Amino acid sequence: KQEVTQIPAALSVPEGENLVLNCSFTDSAIYNLQWFRQDPGKGLTSLLLIQSSQREQTSGRLNASLDKSSGRSTLYIAASQPGDSATYLCAVGETSYDKVIFGPGTSLSVIP
Amino acid sequence: DGGITQSPKYLFRKEGQNVTLSCEQNLNHDAMYWYRQDPGQGLRLIYYSQIVNDFQKGDIAEGYSVSREKKESFPLTVTSAQKNPTAFYLCASSIAPTGPNTEAFFGQGTRLTVV
Repeated sequence: KQEVTQIPAALSVPEGENLVLNCSFTDSAIYNLQWFRQDPGKGLTSLLLIQSSQREQTSGRLNASLDKSSGRSTLYIAASQPGDSATYLCAVGETSYDKVIFGPGTSLSVIP
Repeated sequence: DGGITQSPKYLFRKEGQNVTLSCEQNLNHDAMYWYRQDPGQGLRLIYYSQIVNDFQKGDIAEGYSVSREKKESFPLTVTSAQKNPTAFYLCASSIAPTGPNTEAFFGQGTRLTVV
């Protein structure tokens, strides 16, 4: 059974720092991995999608990498801003069962 | 604007009642999903549907039911058999069959509270 974990569960950094969020998954039979942002009480906003054949994707200050063989993905946020404060979730698309499995999320707080 | 609409945003249920959460999408997506989110636990899959008139149980389907009579709609009923229904419910959709380009899109969620 696919399990997705995220470390750390919570992170607090001063504004301007670069930071890395980690996502691990147990079954490498995935078709893609998505990173989402969730603001309190809101739905999820897709940030980046990495196909299983890709190694990384970039969007603005965000860079996500994928190492499928080791079951790991990282989300790198450059020059963090208070507006980046949110919960970040990773999710893998499972090849075997055709569904999307989520990690528990990392709660990020960027202090001005 | 294309997107997913969940309603209502807040819902209160008395114990023993069934309630239905609405999810509508105009993205022409074949696949739709229902997730439950509890504090600190991430999202857990309740039910999903890859095509009209077909759906599968997710990891926590007990106490829930769904229907998929139309491509655009995937309502979730929380039955009285669900012993702890208070949670945030999220609906999502994507293209199907799923593949490397499959991106999931989410609604804004419904917060259900048992009173």
